[in-house]
Amino acid sequence: DAKTTQPNSMESNEEEPVHLPCNHSTISGTDYIHWYRQLPSQGPEYVIHGLTSNVNNRMASLAIAEDRKSSTLILHRATLRDAAVYYCILGGTSYGKLTFGQGTILTVHP
Amino acid sequence: DTEVTQTPKHLVMGMTNKKSLKCEQHMGHRAMYWYKQKAKKPPELMFVYSYEKLSINESVPSRFSPECPNSSLLNLHLHALQPEDSALYLCASSHPLGQKYFGPGTRLTVT
Repeated sequence: DAKTTQPNSMESNEEEPVHLPCNHSTISGTDYIHWYRQLPSQGPEYVIHGLTSNVNNRMASLAIAEDRKSSTLILHRATLRDAAVYYCILGGTSYGKLTFGQGTILTVHP
Repeated sequence: DTEVTQTPKHLVMGMTNKKSLKCEQHMGHRAMYWYKQKAKKPPELMFVYSYEKLSINESVPSRFSPECPNSSLLNLHLHALQPEDSALYLCASSHPLGQKYFGPGTRLTVT
């Protein structure tokens, strides 16, 4: 499985934007970039995924570098409920497996 | 309904016991997963079922035995576990477009 590198932790203030980076220099042409988050005492939750183009949904935006070797998850206005571990994962779609890396612990300050 | 349910929420078992974890989804997803998560670590994949057939076994010890009786149900049978098997066991199902939906997990303690 291709590997991703994320900062161990990041901090943000409430109502400010948050940019969570992910490096994936060995990404293959068929790998999608998936983001999940895990709130305390809960199972992981799907956030967003994309292949080449930037993607937006109600939770976040995903900005993908032109060479696809890095990506950034953007939370436009952080809330206290966004405090979680954020995982950037490479993989296919459909019924493929999801292999989690260490993730980034996001702390949001009031 | 985008919910994956898992029972029980908590389980304490001795090393000689046999118990089962249950996972259910009614989203029509045809792939289901078992993950194990130790404290402060990321989830680790254990098994993948696709169309009710075991498609991936990540070299899991035989004391863990998965079963997929139908497309909505996934079980994990536990026998002769060790204390180091204590962890949060997560079930997930996969939408055909790739989004995985996770249950809240079963917190297992082996004494």
